[in-house]
Amino acid sequence: DGGITQSPKYLFRKEGQNVTLSCEQNLNHDAMYWYRQDPGQGLRLIYYSQIVNDFQKGDIAEGYSVSREKKESFPLTVTSAQKNPTAFYLCASSIGADTNQPQHFGDGTRLSIL
Amino acid sequence: QKEVEQDPGPLSVPEGAIVSLNCTYSNSAFQYFMWYRQYSRKGPELLMYTYSSGNKEDGRFTAQVDKSSKYISLFIRDSQPSDSATYLCAPLGAGGSYIPTFGRGTSLIVHP
Repeated sequence: DGGITQSPKYLFRKEGQNVTLSCEQNLNHDAMYWYRQDPGQGLRLIYYSQIVNDFQKGDIAEGYSVSREKKESFPLTVTSAQKNPTAFYLCASSIGADTNQPQHFGDGTRLSIL
Repeated sequence: QKEVEQDPGPLSVPEGAIVSLNCTYSNSAFQYFMWYRQYSRKGPELLMYTYSSGNKEDGRFTAQVDKSSKYISLFIRDSQPSDSATYLCAPLGAGGSYIPTFGRGTSLIVHP
């Protein structure tokens, strides 16, 4: 079954700690995205990547970092610089960021502060 | 003004009702329009995808786009309790950008 796998489903962060959220896709998509979703708010774009070894900042990149070493994987690190990290994080992929093809989403990781 | 506006609800309807979910947008350059359904604690799943103005039907779901009014609608016929979810509209295609702009979603509750 093709799809996007995010892990873990729940994650807790201590003050001053960096945490990394995993996102893996087997859809052979070139583009991958990270969004943050807060209650009552739309999805806000953190970072996206159109191709391996390349990525661009979205609207709210401060306090986050990403890497794209493999086509299938796009991990997101929430750094200690992100002062309000509690949110639902969604990873998505699409055939290409420069096409009109829709995004497909994983089932998210819920991050909370301890 | 936000680029994409949706009433957050919740919208509560009885089973079998016809549901109308709406979305307005400000950027007249959007060309493609998507509706996603998101169940609690899950990721959004693509429900409908339309291009330009007009209607598109898929089973109990109809998506309608009026570009002149910058208004998007999703109609659900014979609504079921399993339709209870948050519905996100997401236009894209403005200015050569194909990254969608998401509304904050409308919560729908269909009670038996």
